[in-house]
Amino acid sequence: DTEVTQTPKHLVMGMTNKKSLKCEQHMGHRAMYWYKQKAKKPPELMFVYSYEKLSINESVPSRFSPECPNSSLLNLHLHALQPEDSALYLCASSQDLGSGASGNTIYFGEGSWLTVV
Amino acid sequence: LAKTTQPISMDSYEGQEVNITCSHNNIATNDYITWYQQFPSQGPRFIIQGYKTKVTNEVASLFIPADRKSSTLSLPRVSLSDTAVYYCLVGGSGGYNKLIFGAGTRLAVHP
Repeated sequence: DTEVTQTPKHLVMGMTNKKSLKCEQHMGHRAMYWYKQKAKKPPELMFVYSYEKLSINESVPSRFSPECPNSSLLNLHLHALQPEDSALYLCASSQDLGSGASGNTIYFGEGSWLTVV
Repeated sequence: LAKTTQPISMDSYEGQEVNITCSHNNIATNDYITWYQQFPSQGPRFIIQGYKTKVTNEVASLFIPADRKSSTLSLPRVSLSDTAVYYCLVGGSGGYNKLIFGAGTRLAVHP
């Protein structure tokens, strides 16, 4: 079972709404990630946080705003989204932001299904 | 970043061994190879990780040749519940754990 918890599991929002996705992990990991996954496509990296600071932004539109209040929590604030933003949003964490060379495994949550209407 | 290439889909039958090969020709010296399994509507689940030779755990084995330009995930005696998408990833460069997913392999296990 995953130790990365995401809420809500499902979210429906209008294009003018403001909502947030939340993610929590209690594994003591210092790196956290947001991925976006469309149906029948692989997950796409959006943001990476390391020690509560944004390290990587994969040119994500500003209508997606990440926040890392502390080392256990990661939020994704949503505003003025478009229907094409409907997808599964995955949160993940790893021990730190080392390269794959260190065997730094990334663990994923179950995701939050977002539908923009 | 090392790009990975896998077969788009595979079919197997219950009780058979399944081998999924991933090509990663430009893998960096320090990169590890990690495999994930994903069921519909769920997050990817870590299966196995290795650097060279062979790694085995309670779920699968991972074979990595000496040149490390490919790797093979071996699932022994698959069951219907192993029907899923399997992703092969290699570590990112520049000191960042920037794992990028390839297209993955859709494995269908039939009765």
